[in-house]
Amino acid sequence: DGGITQSPKYLFRKEGQNVTLSCEQNLNHDAMYWYRQDPGQGLRLIYYSQIVNDFQKGDIAEGYSVSREKKESFPLTVTSAQKNPTAFYLCASSTGGPPNNQPQHFGDGTRLSIL
Amino acid sequence: GESVGLHLPTLSVQEGDNSIINCAYSNSASDYFIWYKQESGKGPQFIIDIRSNMDKRQGQRVTVLLNKTVKHLSLQIAATQPGDSAVYFCAENIAGGTSYGKLTFGQGTILTVHP
Repeated sequence: DGGITQSPKYLFRKEGQNVTLSCEQNLNHDAMYWYRQDPGQGLRLIYYSQIVNDFQKGDIAEGYSVSREKKESFPLTVTSAQKNPTAFYLCASSTGGPPNNQPQHFGDGTRLSIL
Repeated sequence: GESVGLHLPTLSVQEGDNSIINCAYSNSASDYFIWYKQESGKGPQFIIDIRSNMDKRQGQRVTVLLNKTVKHLSLQIAATQPGDSAVYFCAENIAGGTSYGKLTFGQGTILTVHP
């Protein structure tokens, strides 16, 4: 079945450590997105990519980095510079934006915790 | 409906009742709106979308109403079932500029359906 796969489902980070969250989609979508969700809150955009080899900062990009070397993959690295990384991280993809907006479809997330 | 702050609005209904979830969106330039359902530990699931040139759209058991005059969006669920219990988010896309496909999410409403 087509969809978005995020791995791992749970991840633990030690102080000063970088960790990478995986996101793979087989929907043939051009655009991919990373969001952070904190308890009792909505989603906040970290980074997004409209096309391979291109990505843009979202609203809370500090302490994170991404790459988009392949259309189907958009990994997110949470660096040691991110001082409060504990959160639920969600990856999404869509066929594109304006003028013919299409909905974003989400994976089932990775929950990151600090040891 | 949606509100600013850390305490999510809640809506409790009996099975079989109709539910109405409200959302006040922030930007009069927004031209595309989506409702998502999120169950515990999972990613948001697309329910229905609407563009700004419409004021009503119907799906299976769901209807979205858009009032651009007061910047208000609502989701109506007919014959609510226990499986509808979840957090519901509205999201808006602001047209133009560099906002390609970017969505701004509300904080969510918790819907609880009692058998």
